[in-house]
Amino acid sequence: GDSVTQMEGPVTLSEEAFLTINCTYTATGYPSLFWYVQYPGEGLQLLLKATKADDKGSNKGFEATYRKETTSFHLEKGSVQVSDSAVYFCALNTGNQFYFGTGTSLTVIP
Amino acid sequence: NAGVMQNPRHLVRRRGQEARLRCSPMKGHSHVYWYRQLPEEGLKFMVYLQKENIIDESGMPKERFSAEFPKEGPSILRIQQVVRGDSAAYFCASSPPGRGGYNEQFFGPGTRLTVL
Repeated sequence: GDSVTQMEGPVTLSEEAFLTINCTYTATGYPSLFWYVQYPGEGLQLLLKATKADDKGSNKGFEATYRKETTSFHLEKGSVQVSDSAVYFCALNTGNQFYFGTGTSLTVIP
Repeated sequence: NAGVMQNPRHLVRRRGQEARLRCSPMKGHSHVYWYRQLPEEGLKFMVYLQKENIIDESGMPKERFSAEFPKEGPSILRIQQVVRGDSAAYFCASSPPGRGGYNEQFFGPGTRLTVL
């Protein structure tokens, strides 16, 4: 069935470090891919998305490219800030249902 | 434009009581989804509803859980005879009509249920 496998955390980085959170997926159709972010005590917010192969989603300095050949959608940011500390969820959708990864907790220290 | 609203934000119940969680989707959205997030785990899909219809309930436990999205009013997730294992954060999301699940889902702030 459809699923998402996400890099396990927690991840701790110093401010201005480079971030990569790996995400790979299994899907029978042609999914749309998403990254959501969850700040403490809040719901999920869409960070970026890509709807077809080779699309690059970007927002707030974060980027992810939809790679069909490697079935991946890795999240990257060149220089993280303390305010980026949150839990990040990779997700896919091929129709009615979203499939979420287990989440990766990121802590950025000054 | 108000986002997805959920209430209550926090709910405490004793074992055996009923829990009712409410979700008002964003204006113009006709698709509602419920998810459960257990401590230290990701989100698990529970149910997908459109107005007056359950589209996919493959993630709902077979007993004690039910959901509805009436023609008027919010969507309700109902848990009867709660047990401690039901303690979790329950998130509602909504999306606009059209491409159904392919659309981005907008999440509410969640209801944190604690069962004593």
